[in-house]
Amino acid sequence: GQSLEQPSEVTAVEGAIVQINCTYQTSGFYGLSWYQQHDGGAPTFLSYNALDGLEETGRFSSFLSRSDSYGYLLLQELQMKDSASYFCAVRVGYSGAGSYQLTFGKGTKLSVIP
Amino acid sequence: EAGVVQSPRYKIIEKKQPVAFWCNPISGHNTLYWYLQNLGQGPELLIRYENEEAVDDSQLPKDRFSAERLKGVDSTLKIQPAELGDSAVYLCASSLTPADTQYFGPGTRLTVL
Repeated sequence: GQSLEQPSEVTAVEGAIVQINCTYQTSGFYGLSWYQQHDGGAPTFLSYNALDGLEETGRFSSFLSRSDSYGYLLLQELQMKDSASYFCAVRVGYSGAGSYQLTFGKGTKLSVIP
Repeated sequence: EAGVVQSPRYKIIEKKQPVAFWCNPISGHNTLYWYLQNLGQGPELLIRYENEEAVDDSQLPKDRFSAERLKGVDSTLKIQPAELGDSAVYLCASSLTPADTQYFGPGTRLTVL
């Protein structure tokens, strides 16, 4: 099976930078995804890392280290609207051509305060 | 481009009653997923469809849950009979292929009384 660990809650000040860590244990690892979910809303795709290193998309960046089974999501210039839950999810492959499964962590609730 | 559409958004039923959720995926997306999300948890996969074929339903409680995707587009998830523990958000997602990014609908929040 798979297991993912991420902090349950993080609080940060508007305009600041926050990093949300994710460690995982799994076999058949293909990559790490990040999703954002506002209360009552749909999980929204943010990023996907298949290779080691940093991927930047605007104010959000995501990092992966396959050797450390570790990744993080970095949010810069925090805005009030960034208050949401953030989920890391591992993509694993299993027997059967083109078969993948996405397993989510429990999520990190980010609160941005003025 | 329209996203994943789900209905109803909210449903309140008495225990032992049946309930059904409907999902219309993004146009052209062959892969469709149903997830269960409990409060404070991440989504958990219930079933995955490739076109009209259920290719991964190992996590679907088959004694009371059923799903169908008859024409390979829309899908319906049914619970009969519902139990108190079924109260959760039921999310539908779709992707172009199993290897592509999954896009989620807003979910149906089910409350079983």
